[in-house]
Amino acid sequence: DIHMTQSPSTLSASVGDRVTITCRASQSINSWLAWFQQKPGKAPKLLIYKASSLESGVPSRFSGSGSGTEFTLTISSLQPDDFATYYCQQYNTYPWTFGQGTKVEI
Amino acid sequence: QLQLQESGPGLVKPSETLSLTCTVSGGSISSSNYYWDWIRQPPGKGLEWIGNFYYSGNTYYNPSLKSRVTISVDTSKNQFSLRLSSMTAADTAVYYCAGSMGGISTQWGQGTLVTVSS
Repeated sequence: DIHMTQSPSTLSASVGDRVTITCRASQSINSWLAWFQQKPGKAPKLLIYKASSLESGVPSRFSGSGSGTEFTLTISSLQPDDFATYYCQQYNTYPWTFGQGTKVEI
Repeated sequence: QLQLQESGPGLVKPSETLSLTCTVSGGSISSSNYYWDWIRQPPGKGLEWIGNFYYSGNTYYNPSLKSRVTISVDTSKNQFSLRLSSMTAADTAVYYCAGSMGGISTQWGQGTLVTVSS
């Protein structure tokens, strides 16, 4: 299985901050990486796919980059609605695997 | 817009088999555009992909669960199902169904909590 490691596990930030979350894969996954946002009691919501493509309807303050084994999710200016847990997921090789999550809190 | 809704028991006894159903609306489960996935999340923990089904009949399972998992489809009801046998407390989780395109889970159900307890 491809192991996905996110850092940090928890991130304390304020409204307006620029936030960066890193996701590393245990082997190359090309650009087959997605980012999800999850709020308590809700299903994950797709933000980014193919490492850097913004899902329709997702605010442009979210962006993704990277390829191979190292990826980043950036929120350019953190908004109150962005406090949530973020997961990366590889879909290069079965079984699909997720990172352990990064909780963005105040 | 594709919508998915999980249904099934909220409580399962140890050693029993879990059966969950996902009803799809807004699209056909026979569509070549989608894979139909099951994903779970233990309380307070991360996400685990269980497996998926493609309209052609192909199924892919997580090797960690493969011996216990079956995913099937009922095209007449536009539903797909998950069966997970020999349940233990470690299988307590919120179970999500999802529609995926090219490996990307674009649409998710709301999730259903399954607790394993006697």
